[in-house]
Amino acid sequence: EAGVAQSPRYKIIEKRQSVAFWCNPISGHATLYWYQQILGQGPKLLIQFQNNGVVDDSQLPKDRFSAERLKGVDSTLKIQPAKLEDSAVYLCASSLGDRDREKLFFGSGTQLSVL
Amino acid sequence: DQQVKQNSPSLSVQEGRISILNCDYTNSMFDYFLWYKKYPAEGPTFLISISSIKDKNEDGRFTVFLNKSAKHLSLHIVPSQPGDSAVYFCAAFGTGTASKLTFGTGTRLQVTL
Repeated sequence: EAGVAQSPRYKIIEKRQSVAFWCNPISGHATLYWYQQILGQGPKLLIQFQNNGVVDDSQLPKDRFSAERLKGVDSTLKIQPAKLEDSAVYLCASSLGDRDREKLFFGSGTQLSVL
Repeated sequence: DQQVKQNSPSLSVQEGRISILNCDYTNSMFDYFLWYKKYPAEGPTFLISISSIKDKNEDGRFTVFLNKSAKHLSLHIVPSQPGDSAVYFCAAFGTGTASKLTFGTGTRLQVTL
């Protein structure tokens, strides 16, 4: 079974530039999550999708971050414009359902450095 | 507001000995607790969990203990192996305002030969 795919693996940009991350969840997984992990901290939920609808985006900085999950499969997370404090690993995860926290499968993440 | 805390950023244990990783939480609405393991350049993977109706759950070399009155849980690894060297995250969720899976800051375990 293929895992959660994310790209790119690394991205270096200057502040005020834009960046986008892509995630392909495990086939059949209805729930998709984007997490931000800043160095020395645990992953923090940015947004949760159930199919192509947003379940929770309360911690997403909506003035600069946006995410979409077209057709309930792949998802993209965008930052525009980026700030220095956005430097982090962005993790995508998926699960069969909303309550399947044990069955949360993470991708390898995209490491973003904002200079 | 750190609702899930792992106060030890790192831990070093000899191979064959017991590793004990600790986690404290503040939100009394949490009713399910999980441990994730993370190797460098990989995403976290689920290790073991415990519901608040239990005080112990065991899976092979891994045991999680929950003390609800102290809002404390611990992960025991016996015996520790070099392949256990990783970062371990404690996580919790519940209902209502605690429905979001909340992670601790992680403990880096190094198992030495």
